[in-house]
Amino acid sequence: NAGVTQTPKFQVLKTGQSMTLQCAQDMNHNSMYWYRQDPGMGLRLIYYSASEGTTDKGEVPNGYNVSRLNKREFSLRLESAAPSQTSVYFCASRRTGGRFGGNIQYFGAGTRLSVL
Amino acid sequence: TQLLEQSPQFLSIQEGENLTVYCNSSSVFSSLQWYRQEPGEGPVLLVTVVTGGEVKKLKRLTFQFGDARKDSSLHITAAQPGDTGLYLCAGVETGANNLFFGTGTRLTVIP
Repeated sequence: NAGVTQTPKFQVLKTGQSMTLQCAQDMNHNSMYWYRQDPGMGLRLIYYSASEGTTDKGEVPNGYNVSRLNKREFSLRLESAAPSQTSVYFCASRRTGGRFGGNIQYFGAGTRLSVL
Repeated sequence: TQLLEQSPQFLSIQEGENLTVYCNSSSVFSSLQWYRQEPGEGPVLLVTVVTGGEVKKLKRLTFQFGDARKDSSLHITAAQPGDTGLYLCAGVETGANNLFFGTGTRLTVIP
């Protein structure tokens, strides 16, 4: 009963380094999301994927790229990390259909990233 | 950018007290959700409200959606230490699928 799994849980990078955050869901959901969470700002959408093979920018996409590898996996890449990207990153998947139009999102436990 | 303001930002109360958290926006939403997030975990959905004026109860938690569907409140009766966490509201625009999250209210219930 894993749900949404994110790796790694913690990461420290130096400015300019690159890394990929991994996310996988086992609930057969079509839509997947990447958010960042900063103090006092709630969660802000970085990128999302409505279905396998499609990706779209969210509110704060600059400095990030994504890949929807297959239906299960959605990765987030930082090509050249900057201190402003220090944050907690959450991946989510969305159940479609249902009474409320399919807007129930299930979140992973997050990746805590520090960029020095 | 949609803006959902929550107040208060921080709240520290004694066990047994009542509290209300507010979520306000200038935008109209087709539905509004409340999530709770515990340290080291992702947000978990508590409730979805859909109809203007709707009130939903979840044990000691009461959720209300404003008549104009622009605001919402969460009222906790007789708070317990297990209620401690970050409470987030999230709105869904009509015809859209993405969530717009509020700024969050961090609640601490002291035993």
